[in-house]
Amino acid sequence: LAKTTQPISMDSYEGQEVNITCSHNNIATNDYITWYQQFPSQGPRFIIQGYKTKVTNEVASLFIPADRKSSTLSLPRVSLSDTAVYYCLVGAYASGTYKYIFGTGTRLKVLA
Amino acid sequence: KAGVTQTPRYLIKTRGQQVTLSCSPISGHRSVSWYQQTPGQGLQFLFEYFSETQRNKGNFPGRFSGRQFSNSRSEMNVSTLELGDSALYLCASSWGANTGELFFGEGSRLTVL
Repeated sequence: LAKTTQPISMDSYEGQEVNITCSHNNIATNDYITWYQQFPSQGPRFIIQGYKTKVTNEVASLFIPADRKSSTLSLPRVSLSDTAVYYCLVGAYASGTYKYIFGTGTRLKVLA
Repeated sequence: KAGVTQTPRYLIKTRGQQVTLSCSPISGHRSVSWYQQTPGQGLQFLFEYFSETQRNKGNFPGRFSGRQFSNSRSEMNVSTLELGDSALYLCASSWGANTGELFFGEGSRLTVL
């Protein structure tokens, strides 16, 4: 079964670029890799999704190498409001069923 | 467009009781999935329903069950509650199953005494 690991925490200063990596082995061949942001007392919020190479939207970029065993979420020029926990999500087939597997989460703290 | 709505937001139960949580998905979304979030185990997938059928299932005991209605609303039930069931239960909806692009509600926080 796929296992996803992320750094537990990261600190950054406002205006810097932050890169958070998720390691995931055995993800489903056709599965997308998705990243979420979660604030206290709220449900996770979708940030970005990709399958391979690079994807960019208005808030983040996602880099996925050819082997797809990891992915990196890049947040350009972070602000204090980006302080949150970030999760990667992958899918995996096990025992004949598809399972959503969240990473362990990375607590990002942005400092002024 | 209304988001995912979960009720109740907070509840307290005692060991051995059962609990039912409700989730109303975003209009037009046909898939609903459920997750348990705890400080120790993180976010764990419980199950996913699509068109009233359970499509996918996580590694939780049979005490955890769910169902989906024809209007896509979903409920999950936990029977014979244990102290370890105390958690934030999150519901997410999506247009289809296995998409990964999930829209979450704010969760139902269950405390078992």
